[in-house]
Amino acid sequence: DIQMTQSPSSLSAYVGDRVTITCRASQGISNYLAWFQQKPGKVPNLLIYGASTLQSGVPSRFSGSGSGTDFTLTISSLQPEDVATYYCQRYNSTLLTFGGGTRVEVK
Amino acid sequence: QGQLVQSGAEVKKPGSSVKVSCKAPGHTFKNYAISWVRQAPGQGLEWMGGIIPIFGTANYGPKFQGRLTLIADEATSTAFMILSGLRSDDTAVYFCARSLYNDYGDYFYFYDYTDVWGEGTTVTVSS
Repeated sequence: DIQMTQSPSSLSAYVGDRVTITCRASQGISNYLAWFQQKPGKVPNLLIYGASTLQSGVPSRFSGSGSGTDFTLTISSLQPEDVATYYCQRYNSTLLTFGGGTRVEVK
Repeated sequence: QGQLVQSGAEVKKPGSSVKVSCKAPGHTFKNYAISWVRQAPGQGLEWMGGIIPIFGTANYGPKFQGRLTLIADEATSTAFMILSGLRSDDTAVYFCARSLYNDYGDYFYFYDYTDVWGEGTTVTVSS
């Protein structure tokens, strides 16, 4: 089975900072990669699919890139409401696989 | 749109089974696969398995083979997750979520991401 590894597991940054989260697949998955945001006690919310397509209603400060095995989620200017845990998800398979998550905090 | 409604919280004894339901709108039930994802306290998201409700075909994550059963009732547009042999580390919030699929007869692919999620059901396993 393909494994999805996220890094870092947590980070802390200032409001306005550029934040980058990485997701690495153990084998190539083309662009079948989604990103979710989960705030404490809430349901995961889809941010990006197809590695780089922004879901409707998601702020444009979020962006995704990558293909094959290496993917990134970028928040161009961190806002207080972005405090959450972010997960990547691999699809187009008989299984769905999540990365371990990255907790984002504001300094 | 596409809302998934889950059953309420459960408290179970070790060794018992739990059955959680996920009611879907008719369009979702007929056109989407329903996956089950769990999240233990303070932990990440873990995909357990998924089912095509109209066919009853299910894919199970390797960790849950033999303990997890996924079924669906077309009459009520409801998917069910049954987890047996409960242990304390099964204490978690259990989510259902939908995704599009490709059916190949003996198996199917989740060819799309999970775009709509249920609100989650808390299952507590305690003696």
